[in-house]
Amino acid sequence: DIQMTQSPASLSASLGETVTIECLASEDIYSNLAWYQQKPGKSPQLLIYDASSLQDGVPSRFSGSESGTQYSLEINSLQSEDAATYFCQQHHDYPWTFGGGTKLELK
Amino acid sequence: EVQLVESGGGLVQPGRSLKLSCVASGFTFSNYGMNWIRQAPGKGLEWVAYISSGSSYIYYAETVKGRFTISRDNAKNTLYLQMTSLRSEDTALYYCARRSIYNNYLDYWGQGVMVTVSS
Repeated sequence: DIQMTQSPASLSASLGETVTIECLASEDIYSNLAWYQQKPGKSPQLLIYDASSLQDGVPSRFSGSESGTQYSLEINSLQSEDAATYFCQQHHDYPWTFGGGTKLELK
Repeated sequence: EVQLVESGGGLVQPGRSLKLSCVASGFTFSNYGMNWIRQAPGKGLEWVAYISSGSSYIYYAETVKGRFTISRDNAKNTLYLQMTSLRSEDTALYYCARRSIYNNYLDYWGQGVMVTVSS
């Protein structure tokens, strides 16, 4: 199975700041990486797919990038509504696997 | 508007069975692959099973293979998960999620249904 190592597990940032969340794949997943946002008590919502494509309706302050097997989610100009847990998911091969999640807290 | 509504969860004893349903609306259900994803309390996400649009391709996580069966009824716009030989570690919130028509990411999720396995 492809392992997805996500970091950090948690972070705290202020409004207006930029944060980066990373996922390291245990093997090449050929840009088949998605990012999801999950707010407390809600189901996950797709933010980014194919490593860097923004899902319709998602604010442009969210962006995805890759470098080898390292994938990153950047959130610019943090807003209060960005407080959530973020998960990466490799969609290259079964079984699809998720990162452990990053809980983002706004100061 | 795409909607996925799960039902059928509850409290069940270890070793017993339970069947989850997910009713889809707002899109042509028969055109999309569907998945079950679960999330144990306070934990991360675990993919459970996938079924293609016409049920030709079915995949399971190793943790549920041989115990869970995914199926669908395209005439009823409904996805199912039959769970047997339930274990305490199957306790989780179960989501149905639509596979994008373009690739293997999950573009819509239901609100989830809770399954608790306990004596």
